Amino acid sequence: EVQLWESGGGLAQPGGSLRLSCTASGFTFSSSAMSWVRQAPGKGLEWVSGISSSGDNIYYADSVKGRFTISRDNSKNTQYLQMTSLRAEDTAKYYCAKDKEDILGTIFPESWGRGMLVTVSS
Amino acid sequence: SYVLTQPPSLSVAPGQTARVTCGGNNIGRKSVQWYQQKSGQAPVLVVYDDTDRPSGIPVRFSGSNSGNTATLTITGVEAGDEADYYCQVWDLNTDHVVFGGGTKLTVL
Repeated sequence: EVQLWESGGGLAQPGGSLRLSCTASGFTFSSSAMSWVRQAPGKGLEWVSGISSSGDNIYYADSVKGRFTISRDNSKNTQYLQMTSLRAEDTAKYYCAKDKEDILGTIFPESWGRGMLVTVSS
Repeated sequence: SYVLTQPPSLSVAPGQTARVTCGGNNIGRKSVQWYQQKSGQAPVLVVYDDTDRPSGIPVRFSGSNSGNTATLTITGVEAGDEADYYCQVWDLNTDHVVFGGGTKLTVL
């Protein structure tokens, strides 16, 4: 069974930083692309970032590009999201997701963690 | 960037059929996924590659995709199907995952 466990969330001040971690089990982590998706309170899903299985290919939403950094450590079955220059609009529940390749060879989030709340407020 | 349009809400009586639509330019050329998110829970994949169901998803959930509209169909709607439903595609122009705005399904 795929399990994804997020940690590292909490309260940060505007302009501050936080690092989210996602520890995975139940599948071959080193063979799977991974993503981060967030959901602001009462709002819909917003994709944040994705990383290929090797870490060679990385993608960011325009809203976080230049401020957030995704990375992974395949030896620890863990992916990370380093968030800097945080803004009030970054307040959301952040979900870690295991990606799957679709029939066209592009990827989509297949399995999701429970999510971790990040609040940016002074 | 690629935009997916969903109706904000849909109400259906128990036992009836719910059809959740997702509009996008030539979406029929893309692979569409659907997620169910119940209140306070993480999203769950219910349809992928337009029409396939992950293991454990009831056959009541089915998908179709053609032209400019993809559709998630839930037959014999049950109270437990009440949730937000999101469609999703990959935007080849930007290499971004794109979600629709979500449809809140209410079971009357």
